[in-house]
Amino acid sequence: QSALTQPASVSGSPGQSITISCTGTSSDVGGYNYVSWYQQHPGKAPKLMIYDVSNRPSGVSNRFSGSKSGNTASLTISGLQAEDEADYYCSSYTSSSTLVFGTGTKVTVL
Amino acid sequence: EVQLVESGGGLVQPGGSLRLSCAASGFTFSSYWMSWVRQAPGKGLEWVANIKQDGSEKYYVDSVKGRFTISRDNAKNSLYLQMNSLRAEDTAVYYCARDVQVIDYWGQGTLVTVSS
Repeated sequence: QSALTQPASVSGSPGQSITISCTGTSSDVGGYNYVSWYQQHPGKAPKLMIYDVSNRPSGVSNRFSGSKSGNTASLTISGLQAEDEADYYCSSYTSSSTLVFGTGTKVTVL
Repeated sequence: EVQLVESGGGLVQPGGSLRLSCAASGFTFSSYWMSWVRQAPGKGLEWVANIKQDGSEKYYVDSVKGRFTISRDNAKNSLYLQMNSLRAEDTAVYYCARDVQVIDYWGQGTLVTVSS
């Protein structure tokens, strides 16, 4: 039940694109298409941004996109905006019928 | 509108017990797996436990096995987390969440503080 590995921080200027990686194993990220991404602002509950690797819930900007290759999933934020500054977490379903979250990435808009 | 409202958090001494509740509305509660997720102060998210629609399957993160028990009452649209033998490292905001192999809805959380 080890946490998925994410970079601690990623930064970019307004308008740029950034990508956050999320590395797991064949028992979680690599084994299922149940990878999701969450945005969390300070003091707030997480918000679902991407589910099932690359799907966006209704109301989430199309500037957010997800993908997966092998045991690594990625979240790309294009056209970076000040409001995107937040913590981001990935999550995956696992072979043990549990869920596991990533270590979290702090996104800074320069 | 899906709503999940947690209650029952508070200050408890090490070794003590606490029962968290979650009131669900806006969806057919009995049709969904449910989870508890926690977040220690200044730390990341940690999945804690989940429970199948009829309560017949339950899974836990290793660090709470034997101490925490997840349960549900579909007639009351409610989810529970019984926490025993609490430790300082259990201090966190506990979120109730709808689980579709992805957490698609979250409550606002309830703070549990374990301290003497």
